[in-house]
Amino acid sequence: EVQLVESGGGLVQPGGSLRLSCAASGFTLTYHWMHWVRQAPGQGLVWVAYIDNDGGRTTYADFVKGRFTISRDNAKNTVYLQMKSLSGDDTAVYYCVRDAQLSFDIWGHGTVVTVSS
Amino acid sequence: QSALTQPPSASGSPGQSVTISCTGASSDVGDYKYVSWYQQHPGKAPKLMIYEVTKRPSGVPDRFSGSKSGNTASLTVSGLQAEDEADYYCSSYTGSNNFYVFGTGTKVTV
Repeated sequence: EVQLVESGGGLVQPGGSLRLSCAASGFTLTYHWMHWVRQAPGQGLVWVAYIDNDGGRTTYADFVKGRFTISRDNAKNTVYLQMKSLSGDDTAVYYCVRDAQLSFDIWGHGTVVTVSS
Repeated sequence: QSALTQPPSASGSPGQSVTISCTGASSDVGDYKYVSWYQQHPGKAPKLMIYEVTKRPSGVPDRFSGSKSGNTASLTVSGLQAEDEADYYCSSYTGSNNFYVFGTGTKVTV
């Protein structure tokens, strides 16, 4: 079964850091671009970051540039999102998403990040 | 990059059709064929319903169809069923540093 499983979410204080992981199974991760998308409570979907097949190119939404870093380890079938300088605005469900034909065809179940003191 | 504009809500009776619009700009929806639609039930992850404006992934009923004219894309759900009640989001590739943009979301009530 093709699936993505996120982990690493939790409660973190403002200004803190967190690293999310996304384990891929059922397909060859190397063949796909990958993304992180987030959804704040009661709000819509927002694209956060992208990484190409081998990690050579990354792109970020303006509101996370300089604070978040997306990376991948194809040998471990895992994608990461390192987040720092977190604020309440970063509170959201974070989804790991597979790219296919410039659409998001496989979504993980999401991991909840709560930034609060 | 501003979010694409969708109506907050849409509704229809079982068996009827509903169409959701998604308005962007010439730099996103108007310039690329990479418009996609997602269905999200409460507490669940989104599901891809339409990609490249009109294409349906395997397993998506043909009651779902997409189209585009200028800077506006549309999703039509024909023969509404109870399980179609969900939030729907459009998305477009932008080709800029802000790679993708989502719509504001539409809650469909059956």
